[in-house]
Amino acid sequence: EAQVTQNPRYLITVTGKKLTVTCSQNMNHEYMSWYRQDPGLGLRQIYYSMNVEVTDKGDVPEGYKVSRKEKRNFPLILESPSPNQTSLYFCASSSGTSVGTDTQYFGPGTRLTVL
Amino acid sequence: DAKTTQPTSMDCAEGRAANLPCNHSTISGNEYVYWYRQIHSQGPQYIIHGLKNNETNEMASLIITEDRKSSTLILPHATLRDTAVYYCIVRSRNNAGNMLTFGGGTRLMVKP
Repeated sequence: EAQVTQNPRYLITVTGKKLTVTCSQNMNHEYMSWYRQDPGLGLRQIYYSMNVEVTDKGDVPEGYKVSRKEKRNFPLILESPSPNQTSLYFCASSSGTSVGTDTQYFGPGTRLTVL
Repeated sequence: DAKTTQPTSMDCAEGRAANLPCNHSTISGNEYVYWYRQIHSQGPQYIIHGLKNNETNEMASLIITEDRKSSTLILPHATLRDTAVYYCIVRSRNNAGNMLTFGGGTRLMVKP
């Protein structure tokens, strides 16, 4: 089944404790992206990747890191999480790499709470 | 990207067509109309997109007016599982990161 998986689905952690949220897709998609969703602020892009070893900042990259060493995986790293990073996180992937050709498939989400 | 205006909420009877309107009066020539939906706190789901012509796929139809200032998403036979928030988004070809930006959306409630 074609899908985007994220782990963990739920995480409660404390300020400053490094964490990684994994994202994996089995559709051989070139494009992958991370978003966070907060009430009243909608969906905001954190980082995106057009292909292996190619990553770039979205709208809200501060406090996050990503890597794209393999096509299928795009982990999101929080080196020193803070309470303002408490949010619902979504990973997405798409075969198309430009607007008009992209249909983004989303993972189920990771609900992160930083105390 | 151009701004969109959608009704806050709509109801639809199960089995009937759901027609969700979207106004995008400032759309420019290189901007696409996309529709996504999100069932409570689940990952958003792509529905359909178009540039000028009407489009249809297995999920829905997209009707874009000739002046492109508004569009309608049609779910031909709504089911209870179609209850979700529907987002109409206008996206430019110049969108460097292929970013999706959701506004308020329309909360569609399909009732038995």
